Amino acid sequence: DQQVKQNSPSLSVQEGRISILNCDYTNSMFDYFLWYKKYPAEGPTFLISISSIKDKNEDGRFTVFLNKSAKHLSLHIVPSQPGDSAVYFCAASWAGISSGSARQLTFGSGTQLTVLP
Amino acid sequence: DAGVIQSPRHEVTEMGQEVTLRCKPISGHDYLFWYRQTMMRGLELLIYFNNNVPIDDSGMPEDRFSAKMPNASFSTLKIQPSEPRDSAVYFCASSPLGSSQSKNIQYFGAGTRLSVL
Repeated sequence: DQQVKQNSPSLSVQEGRISILNCDYTNSMFDYFLWYKKYPAEGPTFLISISSIKDKNEDGRFTVFLNKSAKHLSLHIVPSQPGDSAVYFCAASWAGISSGSARQLTFGSGTQLTVLP
Repeated sequence: DAGVIQSPRHEVTEMGQEVTLRCKPISGHDYLFWYRQTMMRGLELLIYFNNNVPIDDSGMPEDRFSAKMPNASFSTLKIQPSEPRDSAVYFCASSPLGSSQSKNIQYFGAGTRLSVL
């Protein structure tokens, strides 16, 4: 059962335009969400995160929006650059019964973003 | 900081052989995670440690897989005997201790690409 879903395996966008990557989740206990970026032959790199007490978090060209009622989050990249071409993973976590379980992240399957020059 | 260091970067072995993957977490991080990435299953958590103690190994696929963390700066993931279906990229990640949600950020190594022939 996939608790975090990224339904679009790929996305192509023209340089300078907006990229919107989407993520849906099913577990209402999730209260912290993260986006990771992954280049080929490298490990995932943390990009931006958002707590469930917020509905928006911005960092430079990257903005994450959270809609708790819809259990949906999205990552906006404006303007998109060729260097943004990578696989983007959405991840979620929650404060479990013990402090140890709070550290687990559940990842989506990823979206390959290609920014065309 | 050098980040999370994994070795080897690539491993090619024959079915039935023992494989040992190594990880050095970021100094001062109290959590260490092992993930496996495949096309079919995406990025899945195998096991994680807190202060060198295994907390959750429910993701370990079979008894052929074992992981240890003898000290705060070193962990191994061992597969014995290896099978072709174990071919995947294995990632190690670490995160710091703390109660704030930002401590849920995990920092990944570059991964080990394992090919079992």
